[in-house]
Amino acid sequence: NAGVMQNPRHLVRRRGQEARLRCSPVKGHSHVYWYRQLPEEGLKFMVYLQKENIIDESGMPKERFSAEFPKEGPSILRIQQVVRGDSAAYFCASSQSTLEKAFFGQGTRLTVV
Amino acid sequence: QKEVEQNSGPLSVPEGAIASLNCTYSDRGSQSFFWYRQYSGKSPELIMSIYSNGDKEDGRFTAQLNKASQYVSLLIRDSQPSDSATYLCAVNLRGNEKLTFGTGTRLTIIP
Repeated sequence: NAGVMQNPRHLVRRRGQEARLRCSPVKGHSHVYWYRQLPEEGLKFMVYLQKENIIDESGMPKERFSAEFPKEGPSILRIQQVVRGDSAAYFCASSQSTLEKAFFGQGTRLTVV
Repeated sequence: QKEVEQNSGPLSVPEGAIASLNCTYSDRGSQSFFWYRQYSGKSPELIMSIYSNGDKEDGRFTAQLNKASQYVSLLIRDSQPSDSATYLCAVNLRGNEKLTFGTGTRLTIIP
């Protein structure tokens, strides 16, 4: 009965490279949320997806960032041409519905050098 | 006004005492409320959910919801050093399908 699985746990990228973060939700959950957290700061909403649909991407920068949640496979958060300011912990959470409790994965710590 | 607001702390409480954490939210029509605990360097962990007015108890934790006043609180009885963490309040605001978090309150239990 696996929880939310994120990989990789740690990711180092050079400036200008692409970062691809993966999130497999709890089995049976069709709602996925991505959050970003800078050190000593709160969780900042980025994007909310249901299977094959982006429901709310109001927290995601319009350039370089994209997210998907295909019918099969994990949700992917993609950051193109990374910059130092993208260094953060990225957390994925999943739930059965918008009103139900959401469970978090262990996060991906992205470091841009 | 922030959508979900918490006092950032730090809040220091002696071991064995009651720790009280508060959260206010902007939308009176909100329906779902959650408390998460986050240890430094770790991911948020759900500890309580509450959906209706009143108190909900789970072990040493009690969540309190007052929709008329738009606040939700978390009480931790018999505080332990292991309770030292940041506590995040999360609300599913009406008409907004994402879970919105407060900035968290850092709690330190003093032995």
